[in-house]
Amino acid sequence: GAVVSQHPSWVICKSGTSVKIECRSLDFQATTMFWYRQFPKQSLMLMATSNEGSKATYEQGVEKDKFLINHASLTLSTLTVTSAHPEDSSFYICSAPAGTGLYGYTFGSGTRLTVV
Amino acid sequence: QKEVEQDPGPLSVPEGAIVSLNCTYSNSAFQYFMWYRQYSRKGPELLMYTYSSGNKEDGRFTAQVDKSSKYISLFIRDSQPSDSATYLCAPPDLNEKLTFGTGTRLTIIP
Repeated sequence: GAVVSQHPSWVICKSGTSVKIECRSLDFQATTMFWYRQFPKQSLMLMATSNEGSKATYEQGVEKDKFLINHASLTLSTLTVTSAHPEDSSFYICSAPAGTGLYGYTFGSGTRLTVV
Repeated sequence: QKEVEQDPGPLSVPEGAIVSLNCTYSNSAFQYFMWYRQYSRKGPELLMYTYSSGNKEDGRFTAQVDKSSKYISLFIRDSQPSDSATYLCAPPDLNEKLTFGTGTRLTIIP
């Protein structure tokens, strides 16, 4: 089945530094990648949608200059959290449509970011 | 009003019990519905999807959709400790964006 590999699975960084999270589609081409953020005991909130070769679309309230998304190829999308602060600590998950919409979406395993 | 609402729980039931998880939605444009299971600190995994009103069964799991009342249910029969997870209902919109409910945390007690 369709697999999205997400790395790293967890990362701790200092305030003010940047962190890059990668999501790779291993056995299919992901023209679209959705990026979610999930705070403890809360649901997944869509942050942005990236499309290969074009600019990402950000949801309302998400700072595009802080959360840089690059989708330069059909198998790789990256999210960079720039100048991270403790309030950015969260669980970040990517997802790509696997086949047609009826077959669901494949999720990465998530990245737990802790900013200290 | 949120587009998708779920009782966050937590819900604890003894092993072997039948579990009923529910979800309501407000957007009539939702055409099909997915249930995802998320284990702690993991990404969600697709459990079931259903397109039309009525029941769909897959092993111990049954998904039920009532579009007239905008109500979605997931039933788990013969619940197992391995079913302990958070269950999310997620209808995609016309742009294929998933709208997640808050999820219901389920614990099956051995």
